[in-house]
Amino acid sequence: DGGITQSPKYLFRKEGQNVTLSCEQNLNHDAMYWYRQDPGQGLRLIYYSQIVNDFQKGDIAEGYSVSREKKESFPLTVTSAQKNPTAFYLCASSMRPGGNQPQHFGDGTRLSIL
Amino acid sequence: AQRVTQPEKLLSVFKGAPVELKCNYSYSGSPELFWYVQYSRQRLQLLLRHISRESIKGFTADLNKGETSFHLKKPFAQEEDSAMYYCALSGTMGGTSYGKLTFGQGTILTVHP
Repeated sequence: DGGITQSPKYLFRKEGQNVTLSCEQNLNHDAMYWYRQDPGQGLRLIYYSQIVNDFQKGDIAEGYSVSREKKESFPLTVTSAQKNPTAFYLCASSMRPGGNQPQHFGDGTRLSIL
Repeated sequence: AQRVTQPEKLLSVFKGAPVELKCNYSYSGSPELFWYVQYSRQRLQLLLRHISRESIKGFTADLNKGETSFHLKKPFAQEEDSAMYYCALSGTMGGTSYGKLTFGQGTILTVHP
């Protein structure tokens, strides 16, 4: 089913390398989010964007960067400054900005270090 | 700061037994609470939200501001309820929602036949 598409499903990063995770949505949603999921820690918010050309840091933004040049796209770059990047990354969107809006999630990208 | 705690990482019950997944929160303002669920090989999805006051798939959750809890309950568990459940909180101030959602650590529910 459509909605939110994350790619790739699996990604490997070498030491010192930046990698970019793709998130695209065809739901015409205003807001988009990136979460990191680690065992036993639930989902932690990395960045979120309430509208095109605007984004805010979440709880664990260090070592990550994002852009929101188009409404349907919200790519996440994991930089070499992120010392522990191995995790499962989830992208989500909501029709309107606001944490009280239901969020729709993608299938996720699993990032591992080579 | 907003915080959500799900004290049980794992919860096992038998089919037909009642089930309660616990969720406690910490937030000084007026919270909105949600339960999200992830079934095997499916995406994380919204199960229910406290402002809707509805029952979804037989599950209900009541916001108890005195105990700062939002426990998820079902009187008779089914095998298809086996999944990962996340409690989540959105903070509001003056009726305006902040942009972010804070999730708990999650509880894996297993319903045995």
